[in-house]
Amino acid sequence: KAGVTQTPRYLIKTRGQQVTLSCSPISGHRSVSWYQQTPGQGLQFLFEYFSETQRNKGNFPGRFSGRQFSNSRSEMNVSTLELGDSALYLCASSLDQGYYEQYFGPGTRLTVT
Amino acid sequence: SQQGEEDPQALSIQEGENATMNCSYKTSINNLQWYRQNSGRGLVHLILIRSNEREKHSGRLRVTLDTSKKSSSLLITASRAADTASYFCATADTGRRALTFGSGTRLQVQP
Repeated sequence: KAGVTQTPRYLIKTRGQQVTLSCSPISGHRSVSWYQQTPGQGLQFLFEYFSETQRNKGNFPGRFSGRQFSNSRSEMNVSTLELGDSALYLCASSLDQGYYEQYFGPGTRLTVT
Repeated sequence: SQQGEEDPQALSIQEGENATMNCSYKTSINNLQWYRQNSGRGLVHLILIRSNEREKHSGRLRVTLDTSKKSSSLLITASRAADTASYFCATADTGRRALTFGSGTRLQVQP
């Protein structure tokens, strides 16, 4: 089976812009979660989608949003980018929501200047 | 916020030695998972231990879980240079149904 894919792999944006990141889960996986990883805060949970519905949300401002499509592919959007949004954004898929092991994509490295 | 605190933050050993990493957490959990991350890449799932299990093995990996102390340890035996990576514990908290990751241990295995 193909693994989790994320596009793009690298992105440079300017403060105030918005960005959309894409994630394709492993075939058959219905849950997609998003994480932000920074040197200072570590790995932080953003949100989880299952069956096109957001099931869980981390402690991030409303500028961070996402969605899931009927084929389980997911996108996350960050509006009005801030310098502190520079991070590695990781997507993970799992068979079901919540407690299962997660399979991570390679991540999207976002740099905000 | 992160639930897990991992200890040590960094560990450097020689090839062939064993590496032990510890993880402490705060809430009740459904399971605890360990992941490996090579520099700047995605995480790889290593092992999952349920809250009613005390020990689990997978190849050179041994994980223990003590729910009374809210702690877990990961032992890598006969380490190899290829084991050089960051290792994270992640708890599946009951009720929240989302993984919470620890701060990670950076392991360096010298050839």
